[in-house]
Amino acid sequence: QSVLTQPPSVSGAPGQRVTISCTGSSSNIGAGYDVHWYQHLPGTAPKLLIYGNNNRPSGVPDRFSASRSGTSASLAITGLQAEDEADYYCQSYDSSLSGCVFGGGTQLTVL
Amino acid sequence: EVHLVESGGGLVQPGRSLRVSCAASGFIFNDYAMHWVRKAPGKGLEWVSGIDWNRATKVYADSVKGRFTISRDNAGNSLYLQMNSLRPEDTALYFCAKDRTHSFSSNDGIDFWGQGTLVTVSS
Repeated sequence: QSVLTQPPSVSGAPGQRVTISCTGSSSNIGAGYDVHWYQHLPGTAPKLLIYGNNNRPSGVPDRFSASRSGTSASLAITGLQAEDEADYYCQSYDSSLSGCVFGGGTQLTVL
Repeated sequence: EVHLVESGGGLVQPGRSLRVSCAASGFIFNDYAMHWVRKAPGKGLEWVSGIDWNRATKVYADSVKGRFTISRDNAGNSLYLQMNSLRPEDTALYFCAKDRTHSFSSNDGIDFWGQGTLVTVSS
């Protein structure tokens, strides 16, 4: 069981908006630690999508955005495209574990 | 361009040892913290271990503490993971990953990943 909780799957039609939640606790997100988001297509290297709660590395389209509030965070994808179909993971730091923690991952299906 | 190339994976019996390596290029290796992250079949990403730029801090996930050892050779631009007392549940694709800063505890995110090396623990 992951320290950060994500829904196992979400789906949406092309052009729609979807959100993926990431719920933590007072020792990680709730303690003020930043949340990062990764996109992973099986068979490839994971890709940093969002760092520091809502910052996009160069090359990541502005269709991807994120936010953090309290003990939770969320990733939003607007204008859904077929190429967005992948697994998405949130990641933060946990003070009680003194290490990084990932969410269980969310599989995005573009209908 | 950043490149991280893992090697050393393979089939190993339970209880045995294995060392996986990561060759880094395209950035100043000794300026950044590094991580090992794994993905077991049918499961999500799991952070395994992190090491700061100067080797002063090394941290492990509870699932591998006492069995795995992370190390780095800054002169050789290499990262290692020594895995002892391997268990079937250690079967996974092991990714080498670069932190955005020199200390992983600053939690600045992981900006580059390798393709992974597969470790299978089975009799």
